[in-house]
Amino acid sequence: AQTVTQSQPEMSVQEAETVTLSCTYDTSENNYYLFWYKQPPSRQMILVIRQEAYKQQNATENRFSVNFQKAAKSFSLKISDSQLGDTAMYFCAFMKHNSNDMRFGAGTRLTVKP
Amino acid sequence: DVKVTQSSRYLVKRTGEKVFLECVQDMDHENMFWYRQDPGLGLRLIYFSYDVKMKEKGDIPEGYSVSREKKERFSLILESASTNQTSMYLCASSLYPRAGGPDEAFFGQGTRLTVV
Repeated sequence: AQTVTQSQPEMSVQEAETVTLSCTYDTSENNYYLFWYKQPPSRQMILVIRQEAYKQQNATENRFSVNFQKAAKSFSLKISDSQLGDTAMYFCAFMKHNSNDMRFGAGTRLTVKP
Repeated sequence: DVKVTQSSRYLVKRTGEKVFLECVQDMDHENMFWYRQDPGLGLRLIYFSYDVKMKEKGDIPEGYSVSREKKERFSLILESASTNQTSMYLCASSLYPRAGGPDEAFFGQGTRLTVV
């Protein structure tokens, strides 16, 4: 079974600064997908960004970007110009190619301070 | 917008009760999931379903069952609730993987279940 590890239970950052959340995973698969989800205090999980393992280019969505290192099985999320609304739990997730189920890490609680 | 609706945000039940958690999605998604969220453990998959009347066990199915009689509805059943099932339960749905890869999963707002 695939495992996803987020080694930082909690992090904080000052507004407007940059923060990086770590995620590593363990798999023997070659084709798969990786995701970062955000869960704000409202509890509504929202997709932040996704990455296909067969793509070498790192995904970017506005202030959010990833550093995908396939050989190291690492998938970190960088948030630039942090905003108060970025305060949330962030979950890293893994899905095998042609699979139906998604597996999540334990989450990182990010607090953006004014 | 995709909407995944869970029937209750908060629920308190007694030990030994049979508990039903309901989830409905309105986007004709094939896949539906039930996760349990606990601090320090993240989201753990209980069951998922990729079609009506189809179900697959996730990582922690013990003590739970599911029902999917209609495409839009996926129910999680606690046959005899126990205190160690006190948790946050999240339902999600997604399209069946297409050639271009999986779509994102859309989540409900969660049901915080307390078993006393």
